[in-house]
Amino acid sequence: SQTIHQWPATLVQPVGSPLSLECTVEGTSNPNLYWYRQAAGRGLQLLFYSVGIGQISSEVPQNLSASRPQDRQFILSSKKLLLSDSGFYLCAWSLEYGYTFGSGTRLTVV
Amino acid sequence: DAKTTQPTSMDCAEGRAANLPCNHSTISGNEYVYWYRQIHSQGPQYIIHGLKNNETNEMASLIITEDRKSSTLILPHATLRDTAVYYCIVRPRGNEKLTFGTGTRLTIIP
Repeated sequence: SQTIHQWPATLVQPVGSPLSLECTVEGTSNPNLYWYRQAAGRGLQLLFYSVGIGQISSEVPQNLSASRPQDRQFILSSKKLLLSDSGFYLCAWSLEYGYTFGSGTRLTVV
Repeated sequence: DAKTTQPTSMDCAEGRAANLPCNHSTISGNEYVYWYRQIHSQGPQYIIHGLKNNETNEMASLIITEDRKSSTLILPHATLRDTAVYYCIVRPRGNEKLTFGTGTRLTIIP
């Protein structure tokens, strides 16, 4: 069966520090992968999506970047975090008709 | 993607059927109706989807009007664990991006 792993579950980082969040998928090949962010009390915002290795589409201009070095690995990064980067970050992959989301990373930038 | 309109919040008594409406008056012929829900501090969970026929699975039923301009998600016997934000989304099947609105916050009352 297909599973999606996302870590860490929580993270507290100082302003200006780098960020790396990792997401891996098991049980499928060539999935479409996505990073979403949810600010406190707000809806889900699509940040990046990828249809294959090395193929990244950015949905909104921001302080973050994404990479897909392997078929089932999707990484969200930042060189220098801002306070506004705080939020709940979710990785997802899509089936033919639905998405499966990871358990999320709650990032607090202090 | 077609815009959807949902009530901001709803309450439902435990054990009763919860009926969540969604308006999508600008839906086009190739767009499906999807429902997801997000329990607090978790990633969204796929519930059900449909094109024009009514659908039922182990979680819920989806009723789509004949003109496809609105739909209703039915949770037949709501439990406290059904308390969540429910998102109605319309998108073409070939479109990989899933855009979330603000959803309906459903609270199940004991």
